[in-house]
Order: sequence, then structure tokens, then C-alpha cells
Amino acid sequence: DGGITQSPKYLFRKEGQNVTLSCEQNLNHDAMYWYRQDPGQGLRLIYYSQIVNDFQKGDIAEGYSVSREKKESFPLTVTSAQKNPTAFYLCASSIDGSFYGYTFGSGTRLTVV
Amino acid sequence: RKEVEQDPGPFNVPEGATVAFNCTYSNSASQSFFWYRQDCRKEPKLLMSVYSSGNEDGRFTAQLNRASQYISLLIRDSKLSDSATYLCVVNPQGGSGAGSYQLTFGKGTKLSVIP
Repeated sequence: DGGITQSPKYLFRKEGQNVTLSCEQNLNHDAMYWYRQDPGQGLRLIYYSQIVNDFQKGDIAEGYSVSREKKESFPLTVTSAQKNPTAFYLCASSIDGSFYGYTFGSGTRLTVV
Repeated sequence: RKEVEQDPGPFNVPEGATVAFNCTYSNSASQSFFWYRQDCRKEPKLLMSVYSSGNEDGRFTAQLNRASQYISLLIRDSKLSDSATYLCVVNPQGGSGAGSYQLTFGKGTKLSVIP
């Protein structure tokens, strides 16, 4: 079955560490997205990519980096520059822009320890 | 005015009740609209898409009022399993271009169906 796989499900980061969250899709979708969700808050866009080797900053890109070397993969690195990284991170993909909505992965819950 | 606004709730309703959520959006050029369901600590899942005036799927009905810029979701005969947060989501710009790649999310309305 096609879908989006995020790993790991839970991740713990020490202060000053960089961590990378994995997102892989086999839906043959061109566009991929990373969102952050904090308790009681809406989803906030971190980065998105419309096509391989291209990506755009979202509303809260500071302290994050991404790459899009393959159509199927869109990893997110949370750098030490991100001061409040504890959150629920969601990866999504879409077939063509956002007209038909997104399909989400199951998320990664990141906690700073 | 916020781009997508929802009443955060919580809505506490008994089993079998009918409940309606409203959502207003600010961009009159918006082309497509969605209701997503999000269970606690899980990812959002698409419940309904609305491209014209409305959509119906079993106990769920979504209505779009473009003139007043709001979307509603009606749930009939509520089940315990309907308890979740319902996100109103808007595609603010149809067609191509960078803006068409970003959905705008409401903060969600929490529903609790009580036995």
C-alpha cells in the first residue's frame, strides 16, 4: 500500500545536538512538506518542496534544514540553532500543489532532554 | 482577521446527537476546502473535501458558503469514535505557482462524544 513513512516515532535530543527526521513516500507525489505542531496550536509550515532538488522556506524555517535529493525522500534536520525544538513534526505530500489536499505521515515526536 | 478561524470547543455531545462546526476563511480566492480529523497524538487524516457547494458522506455533511466565506461540518448520529479534533483546512490559491502549495490550517475544534 502507498503511503508516507516517518521515522523515528519518538526522538530525544540533547541540548546542542542536530537530529534528522526521516520522511519517505511511495505515492509518486511531487510535493512534500514539513509541519510542526505544538500542544493546542495549529500546524505551522517549516519547509516545502515542489520538485526534486528544490525547496522553499515556510513560516518558521529558522533552525531547520532540508534536502530533496530524491522524489521519495524529504528529510528534516533540526539544528542546535532551533531553541524550542520539542514538538510533534508532521511530514506530508501532495500530488499537485495543495488543490486536492495532503496525505500525512504518522509523525515524529521530538523531545529535548 | 485570521486566515482560517474555528471555535476551539470543546463540544461535549451525547451519543446520537447532531453536532455542527463552522469555520470562516479570509481569502475569497480560495479554491478547495477540507475537513481533517486528528486523534490525540496522531496525524491529521482527510475526512472530506469540498470543491463546490458541499459534500456528503454517510453521517457527515460539509457545506460551503462562498458569499459568506464559511464552511460547515455536520455530524449526525454521533458515535463515541467520532471524538477527535476536527481541522478546517483551506487551499488559499488555486492553479499553479508557489502559493498553491500551501494549505492553511485552522487550529481545530475538539469534539467529545459522551456515552
